[in-house]
Amino acid sequence: ILNVEQSPQSLHVQEGDSTNFTCSFPSSNFYALHWYRWETAKSPEALFVMTLNGDEKKKGRISATLNTKEGYSYLYIKGSQPEDSATYLCAFPSSGSARQLTFGSGTQLTVLP
Amino acid sequence: NAGVTQTPKFQVLKTGQSMTLQCAQDMNHEYMSWYRQDPGMGLRLIHYSVGAGITDQGEVPNGYNVSRSTTEDFPLRLLSAAPSQTSVYFCASSYTKTGLNQPQHFGDGTRLSIL
Repeated sequence: ILNVEQSPQSLHVQEGDSTNFTCSFPSSNFYALHWYRWETAKSPEALFVMTLNGDEKKKGRISATLNTKEGYSYLYIKGSQPEDSATYLCAFPSSGSARQLTFGSGTQLTVLP
Repeated sequence: NAGVTQTPKFQVLKTGQSMTLQCAQDMNHEYMSWYRQDPGMGLRLIHYSVGAGITDQGEVPNGYNVSRSTTEDFPLRLLSAAPSQTSVYFCASSYTKTGLNQPQHFGDGTRLSIL
């Protein structure tokens, strides 16, 4: 099982601030990189699945970039709102068959009003 | 369209008891999986299936059995519950059959306590 690392582990920002987090993954045999948003007492919800080096995806105020050569992805939130408070997970297919997702431990974001 | 449905939502068992966690999806997804979520550990894959009749082990399969007799259903069985299996269990599915390049759709989870 290959490691997926996320940083920081937790983050507190003020409403209106922009913020970003990092997901690091093994750069060899890249297949895809997933981002999920997980609110307390709910289930994880998919944000993006990225497959191409240099890919950039956007969903409202949230965007993500991908660098497969150096093995990292950034998730950006512009103008954070209290409803953005959640844990943000990234995941990487970690087996040779790319059928097993390995999740990072997540970045817990708290947006203070 | 219900998506991924898990039952029960909560369950308390005694050590040594058996039970089955149910998971059903109505999206005709080939890929289904079970994860457990423990504090500080993140989501860990227990078992997965790429279609009816095909299952395989994930990262933490010990103590759990699965079967996939239909595309829709993927039950997880605990044959003899142990306190170490106290966790929140999530079922997920996706269109993917040959590689995980599609998003996972998660159920609401089952919170299981083993006394």
